[in-house]
Amino acid sequence: EIVLTQSPGTLSLSPGERATLSCRASQSVSSNYLAWYQQKPGQAPRLLISGASSRATGIPDRFSGSVSGTDFTLTISRLEPEDFAVYYCKQYGSSPYTFGQGTKVEIK
Amino acid sequence: QVQLVQSGAEVKQPGASVKVSCKASGYTFTDSYMHWVRQAPGQGLKWMGWINPSSGDTNYAQEFQGRVTMTRDMSITTFYMELSSLRSDDTAVYYCARAKQSDFWGRGTLLTVSS
Repeated sequence: EIVLTQSPGTLSLSPGERATLSCRASQSVSSNYLAWYQQKPGQAPRLLISGASSRATGIPDRFSGSVSGTDFTLTISRLEPEDFAVYYCKQYGSSPYTFGQGTKVEIK
Repeated sequence: QVQLVQSGAEVKQPGASVKVSCKASGYTFTDSYMHWVRQAPGQGLKWMGWINPSSGDTNYAQEFQGRVTMTRDMSITTFYMELSSLRSDDTAVYYCARAKQSDFWGRGTLLTVSS
């Protein structure tokens, strides 16, 4: 089973700042099948990025994903008020699919 | 537009079973596997498994093997997830999510297991 470790656990930033979220896999993720989701309280997760770097339909271009080996990064270039939420990564390259534990982006 | 409409909240006693439904619309039913994910209160997301809507084949996470059954009814484009031998730690919101990248999600079904 691939273990995904997200860091930091909490990120305290101000609107307009840049957010960098990390997701490290315990082993190689097949075909870089790594997705990022945003979840707000009381809502279902929303797909932001799939395939490590492809933005989902309707996702603003301030969200971007990248990969280097087994290290995956989600970058939010300039935080908007609606971006404060919890973010999860998930690998879907091999079964069982696994999620990271989440990073909370909170208003500083 | 793609929609996944889940059944309503459930309260069950320990040892009972629950069957959650997820009605799919807005796309070709057989084009995408359906996945189920759960989230305990205040916790993260856990993948439970998938079902192939064409063949009915399933793949379950080992943690749920023997207790979970995923099925579908093609005639009404609806997926089901049944969980048996319920315990208090099965209390969670259960989501259906389309395809391996989970591009669309249902709103979730809250299951409370309590005596």
